[in-house]
Amino acid sequence: DAGVIQSPRHEVTEMGQEVTLRCKPISGHDYLFWYRQTMMRGLELLIYFNNNVPIDDSGMPEDRFSAKMPNASFSTLKIQPSEPRDSAVYFCASSFRQGAGYTFGSGTRLTVV
Amino acid sequence: AQSVSQHNHHVILSEAASLELGCNYSYGGTVNLFWYVQYPGQHLQLLLKYFSGDPLVKGIKGFEAEFIKSKFSFNLRKPSVQWSDTAEYFCAVNARNYGGSQGNLIFGKGTKLSVKP
Repeated sequence: DAGVIQSPRHEVTEMGQEVTLRCKPISGHDYLFWYRQTMMRGLELLIYFNNNVPIDDSGMPEDRFSAKMPNASFSTLKIQPSEPRDSAVYFCASSFRQGAGYTFGSGTRLTVV
Repeated sequence: AQSVSQHNHHVILSEAASLELGCNYSYGGTVNLFWYVQYPGQHLQLLLKYFSGDPLVKGIKGFEAEFIKSKFSFNLRKPSVQWSDTAEYFCAVNARNYGGSQGNLIFGKGTKLSVKP
């Protein structure tokens, strides 16, 4: 298995632009998680899905953030409009069952200037 | 509020020194416990995990961790560190019976380990 695949690896965008991050979980994993990592706040859970359904989005910072999982093999995290404080590394992770460990993707380093 | 505490923000050791990184959590009920490692510029990788059974868990690269339920702790240890162990280490807990959402891990803030050659 290729693991959790995220794209792009790096994204530099101007403030106000829309940003879309993509994630392909491991086949057969029913849980998908989006995390944000910054120096100041560490790892923050943004949202997670079970069987493509959003279960907990309480970590999504603002209405500017949205996430979708249209099918079992694809998820997106969108920021519209982006702001400099959104600059962070965004990780996607997947898990095959509740309580199991996660497999993380390589992350997307987002820089908003 | 539920939390995972990693007491040391940054640990600096010389090669061959012994390592112990602290992790405490504040959940009741059934827990699964994890340690993840993040090498510079890379993603998090699972180092070891505890679900049940022997509270002393052995992971990859010579790491081990001990679950002490009475202390709500899951400290990470390694008898002799190497320069290549330089990384950030995250403790995580999955609390399945303590309110909130199920299925997600709660991560500590991480401990940076720097090993001097």
